[in-house]
Amino acid sequence: QSALTQPPSASGSPGQSVTISCTGTSSDVGGYNYVSWYQQHPGKVPKLMIYEVSKRPSGVPDRFSGSKSGNTASLTVSGLQAEDEADYYCSSYAGSILLFGGGTKLTVL
Amino acid sequence: EVQLVESGGGLVQPGGSLRLSCAASGFTLSSYWMHWVRQAPGKGLVWVSRINGDGGSTSYADSVKGRFTISRDNAKNTLYLQMNSLRAEDTAVYYCTRSSYSYGQFDYWGQGTLVTVSS
Repeated sequence: QSALTQPPSASGSPGQSVTISCTGTSSDVGGYNYVSWYQQHPGKVPKLMIYEVSKRPSGVPDRFSGSKSGNTASLTVSGLQAEDEADYYCSSYAGSILLFGGGTKLTVL
Repeated sequence: EVQLVESGGGLVQPGGSLRLSCAASGFTLSSYWMHWVRQAPGKGLVWVSRINGDGGSTSYADSVKGRFTISRDNAKNTLYLQMNSLRAEDTAVYYCTRSSYSYGQFDYWGQGTLVTVSS
């Protein structure tokens, strides 16, 4: 049960786009279209941003998008805004268990 | 309004036990899978355990298997996590969260309860 692999940090200037990767295996990310992404601001509760690879819950801006290729899923934030600065975690179904990535700290420069 | 409120956290010695509770309101608990997710201080999210709507199916992360037990009482709208043989590495904020399906996508989270394992 290894955690999914995310880069520890990512950054971009306001208005730019940033993509965060999430790498797993054929037993988790690659095997199911059940990847989710969560945003967590310091001291706050995680918030669901993307589910089933690319679907956005109601209320999440369309600046957030998700995709997957093979064993790697990606979260893209377009038109970066200051409030996007937060930690982002991917999660994947892996059969009878769920896995999270280690998290990526997104900095808006 | 959907609400999940955890309780039961605190300071416990290594080898000790603790039972966490999560009171649910604003939705029909039996219609959802429920999960526990933990976050050690300054660290990332880690999935701990899940239970299906009627309590008949459970699963655990390897790190807690055999020590933790998840359960639910739908009549009381409450989710539980019995934690035994606690270790220092179990120190974390424990979140209660729900999903419509077995494969995750946690749409509502509680505020969390802090468990500290220390002598």
